[in-house]
Amino acid sequence: DTVLTQSPALAVSPGERVTISCRASESVSTLMHWYQQKPGQQPKLLIYKASNLASGVPARFSGSGSGTDFTFTIDPVEADDIATYYCHQSWNSPNTFGAGTKLELK
Amino acid sequence: EVQLVESGGGLVQPGRSLKLSCAASGFTFSNYGMAWVRQTPTKGLEWVASISTGGGNTYYRDSVKGRFTISRDNAKNTQYLQMDSLRSEDTATYYCARWSNNYGVNGGYFDYWGQGVMVTVSS
Repeated sequence: DTVLTQSPALAVSPGERVTISCRASESVSTLMHWYQQKPGQQPKLLIYKASNLASGVPARFSGSGSGTDFTFTIDPVEADDIATYYCHQSWNSPNTFGAGTKLELK
Repeated sequence: EVQLVESGGGLVQPGRSLKLSCAASGFTFSNYGMAWVRQTPTKGLEWVASISTGGGNTYYRDSVKGRFTISRDNAKNTQYLQMDSLRSEDTATYYCARWSNNYGVNGGYFDYWGQGVMVTVSS
């Protein structure tokens, strides 16, 4: 299975820029997607196919990358963005997810 | 508004069965592939199974093949997950998710998720 390795928990202040990385153990082309999950809630799609903003998602969120290295950026961070962020690849079978990066307030 | 509402979770003994349902609304159900994804604190998010628009093609992760069956009833806008021979490692929150395209298990993404239902396998 394709292993997705995410950066560890990050502490941020509102107004800052934060970047979360996701590295795949093999190429996933641009079929990398990003989700936000707040405590007690279901995941919510934010970015699909590496860099496309999902419907209704603020432009503060963005994504880039291809092959094995991907980044997800929030700029600027707002207090409501405190959550866990997951990457997900759908190029190789089976679909796999990263372990998540927990964003915390400084 | 897209809504996915799961039901059918609960506590079940190892080796027994449970059937999850997911009622969909707010979109043309028969136009989308559907899936089940589960989550545990230790293993994180795991894709479990997917089904094509008409139900003719189904896909499973290796650890549930032969034990779980995904199905759908387009007339009722509902998908199901029949879970047999349950094991302790199947304990998780199970999410119903809409697949962004109408074929296969690759190339798309999960664009809407239900609120999840808890399944606990324990004696």
